[in-house]
Amino acid sequence: QSALTQPRSVSGSPGQSVTLSCTGTSSDIGGYNYVSWYQQHPGKVPKLMIFDVNKRPSGVPDRFSGSKSGNTASLTISGLQAEDEADYYCCSFAGSYLLVFGGGTKLTVL
Amino acid sequence: QVQLLQSGAEVKNPGASVKLSCKASGYTFITYKLFWVRQAPGQGLEYVGVINPDGGFTDYTHKFRGRVTMTRDMSTNTVYMEMSSLRPDDTAVYYCTRNGGGMDVWGQGTTVTVSS
Repeated sequence: QSALTQPRSVSGSPGQSVTLSCTGTSSDIGGYNYVSWYQQHPGKVPKLMIFDVNKRPSGVPDRFSGSKSGNTASLTISGLQAEDEADYYCCSFAGSYLLVFGGGTKLTVL
Repeated sequence: QVQLLQSGAEVKNPGASVKLSCKASGYTFITYKLFWVRQAPGQGLEYVGVINPDGGFTDYTHKFRGRVTMTRDMSTNTVYMEMSSLRPDDTAVYYCTRNGGGMDVWGQGTTVTVSS
C-alpha cells in the first residue's frame, strides 16, 4: 500500500486561508469516508484535527474544515494564525483494518 | 481523564527484540481498538498495526508481518507491541493511539534506538 501524496510545504499569511491536499486512490480515499487529519508541532505528539472526512473533534476550532472529492481529500484552515504553523498528516482507511498516512505537509505562517 | 501511558525509551542492538507497553486509563478498555504508529527521526507517520482489546484480534501492515506481535493484558488494561529482528531503520518514536473516531488519544511515545 503506497503512502498518500501530500505537498511537502504550503505557506500563508496570518488571516488568510490555506488548503492542504492529500491524494490517494480508489482503494483508500476514494473508497471510504474515513479520512482523518493530524497536526504535529515539533517534538510534540500528533493531534487529531478532522476525522471521517469532515468531522471536528471537540475543542478543535471551526477554522479547520475537511472535505473530499474523488481520490483527493483536503484540509482547509481559514483565518490562519501563527500557532497553526506545524506539520499536517492525512490518513485514510484502506480496507481490511489497513490505514495509510500521507507523507506530511509543513505549513509555514509567513 | 482518558490517557495512554507508554513505557520508557529503549536502546537495542541490531537483531534484538523489543517489547513496548501502552496502559490505557479513563475509559472502558474493550470499547476501542488501539493502533501502533511509528515516526522515524525527521520523517512522517507510519502505520504499524491494530489490536482489538475485545477478543484480541490483531492485524499488521504487510511490511511488519512476521516481525511484529501485538498482545493485550485485560487485567491491567495494557497492550503490548513486540518487534523482533530489529534493524537500524527501526529507530523511531513508537506511539500507541486510540481509534475513537480518528486517532483521538495518543500516548506520549516511546523512543526505540537500534544501534550497535
